[in-house]
Amino acid sequence: QKEVEQNSGPLSVPEGAIASLNCTYSDRGSQSFFWYRQYSGKSPELIMSIYSNGDKEDGRFTAQLNKASQYVSLLIRDSQPSDSATYLCAVSGGSQGNLIFGKGTKLSVKP
Amino acid sequence: SAVISQKPSRDICQRGTSLTIQCQVDSQVTMMFWYRQQPGQSLTLIATANQGSEATYESGFVIDKFPISRPNLTFSTLTVSNMSPEDSSIYLCSGGGPPDEQYFGPGTRLTVT
Repeated sequence: QKEVEQNSGPLSVPEGAIASLNCTYSDRGSQSFFWYRQYSGKSPELIMSIYSNGDKEDGRFTAQLNKASQYVSLLIRDSQPSDSATYLCAVSGGSQGNLIFGKGTKLSVKP
Repeated sequence: SAVISQKPSRDICQRGTSLTIQCQVDSQVTMMFWYRQQPGQSLTLIATANQGSEATYESGFVIDKFPISRPNLTFSTLTVSNMSPEDSSIYLCSGGGPPDEQYFGPGTRLTVT
């Protein structure tokens, strides 16, 4: 059974701090990795994708991938209250060509 | 990226009836997926909608309960049949983009009374 594990949180950080969200996955054959943001009552929104080891930066967001450790992380710099949401880690490799989702980490950014 | 629309956005249905949810993508996508999400829970994959062939269902989901159509590369429907209160949930469709990326529709919030 392929799995994606995330700390459910809630993770609480003060405004302006760096939020660090972590994810581990079980399938060494996974090639594609994604972070989705889901606001309460809304559908998941793709915010980052990463395919090779290392860091990928997009604005205040940095995704980090370490395939040897089967570890993916998302850093949010200068966190804002509007970043408060549940962040879902997703990994390729589902039996139907689907992504495998973690249960999500709830992030709360306090003003 | 793909833009995905769903309708209806929400509905309240009587026990024993059926509801068909439509999912439209603004570009052709090879893969479309249907998920269910209970409040506060993560996503549960129901099935993959394949164009030109039958849908592929995850364990615990059957075609008689959740028939799916995929008539072309931009459209799919999911029917929730013979509904019970346990079917109350948010139903989401997603479509594939460039390598493995999936984009989600806004969801259909279903309440069965």
